[in-house]
Amino acid sequence: DTGVSQDPRHKITKRGQNVTFRCDPISEHNRLYWYRQTLGQGPEFLTYFQNEAQLEKSRLLSDRFSAERPKGSFSTLEIQRTEQGDSAMYLCASSPSVGALELFFGEGSRLTVL
Amino acid sequence: AQSVSQHNHHVILSEAASLELGCNYSYGGTVNLFWYVQYPGQHLQLLLKYFSGDPLVKGIKGFEAEFIKSKFSFNLRKPSVQWSDTAEYFCAVTGYQKVTFGTGTKLQVIP
Repeated sequence: DTGVSQDPRHKITKRGQNVTFRCDPISEHNRLYWYRQTLGQGPEFLTYFQNEAQLEKSRLLSDRFSAERPKGSFSTLEIQRTEQGDSAMYLCASSPSVGALELFFGEGSRLTVL
Repeated sequence: AQSVSQHNHHVILSEAASLELGCNYSYGGTVNLFWYVQYPGQHLQLLLKYFSGDPLVKGIKGFEAEFIKSKFSFNLRKPSVQWSDTAEYFCAVTGYQKVTFGTGTKLQVIP
């Protein structure tokens, strides 16, 4: 399968713990996005990478959230000191750098904070 | 800043009924518009897209959408829905390097 893959698919953690999600984009895609989706809402933009450069970060992303894409391939999203309000589906998407923006999504990583 | 409004949150139709889901956007520049679909238990996938040219675009599974610039709208249509169309539908607009999604419309098709 050459689509976008995310790991883990589901993470249950206790409040205050740190969690990390990984995203492997489609190999030839230079752009990588993280979104968050909660029940009854559409995906909300969190951050965006062009190769290894993080070009935009939403105001939704508090300083407990950090994302990296060290070699311009896979990306990680870390949440420190998790809170119950962080419970959501975290979606990764990639897009080719040429042409208009069309996102290819992974299955998502569901976070449950107890 | 760009934004998207989807006015129908939950739509219930019988099979063979016609479908129209509303989408209005706000963005000051040139827009690209999309409809994404999320079937139960599956990831988001592209249904159709508008970049330029013919404002009536056709997508997969018999869906189409019409871009009306004067109304800032990009409504999704299908003349005859099937049970397999049960899913959540998201309208999206691109600004510079970012895609903004609407809140989604859940479509339930009753056999």
